[in-house]
Amino acid sequence: QVQLVQSGSELKKPGASVKVSCKASGYTFSGYSMIWVRQAPGQGLEWMGWINTNTGKPTYAQGFTGRFVFSVDTAVSTAYLQISSLKADDTAIYYCARDRLVWLGESSRSNWLDPWGQGTLVTVSS
Amino acid sequence: QSVLTQPPSASGTPGQRVTISCSGSSSNIGNNAVNWYQQLPGTAPKLLIYTNNQRPSGVPGRFSGSKSGTSASLAISGLQSEDEADYYCATWDDSLDGQVFGGGTKLTVL
Repeated sequence: QVQLVQSGSELKKPGASVKVSCKASGYTFSGYSMIWVRQAPGQGLEWMGWINTNTGKPTYAQGFTGRFVFSVDTAVSTAYLQISSLKADDTAIYYCARDRLVWLGESSRSNWLDPWGQGTLVTVSS
Repeated sequence: QSVLTQPPSASGTPGQRVTISCSGSSSNIGNNAVNWYQQLPGTAPKLLIYTNNQRPSGVPGRFSGSKSGTSASLAISGLQSEDEADYYCATWDDSLDGQVFGGGTKLTVL
């Protein structure tokens, strides 16, 4: 079945870096873009951006430029999220999700996320 | 503050019908399809409705979605205790050139 399996929880000190992995199975990895979503403790979902798994080109949402890097390794069907210079407010659960895109008209689209990884908790604390 | 506006909470008793609204603008809901996600406590979000009103296989028919203009709604009929969860609407925003989520609605089954 189609699934995404993420790496385990991380505890990091401020200023360190972390790399979260998201391994896909059950479908052609390079056929779909991968999305990253952040959920801070007790908060809602925040779209961080996406990566074209075929070309490796990332696109970052506002607020996720500079310290955040998306990458892929198609040989092992895995997407990665690296965060550098970690701060306390990076503490969150990070989800990967497969992006499904359908064009409904000339400029109208439907993007839905399915499936989602189980999430990776990144805790930043001294 | 989220681009899409949802009520922070909703509630109902077992068997009731509840609706959750999602309000946006011409650059997001007004031009693109809306999707809904269910997040049960302590779990990852799960796709509930896609392209305004389509249910993925495995999602009960009690869940339905609709869209009109710059707003969308999720309806849950025959409410069950296991429906207690957070619900998020989402769509593409043409101005931001990215996906946006609503702030989420916490559904309580009384």
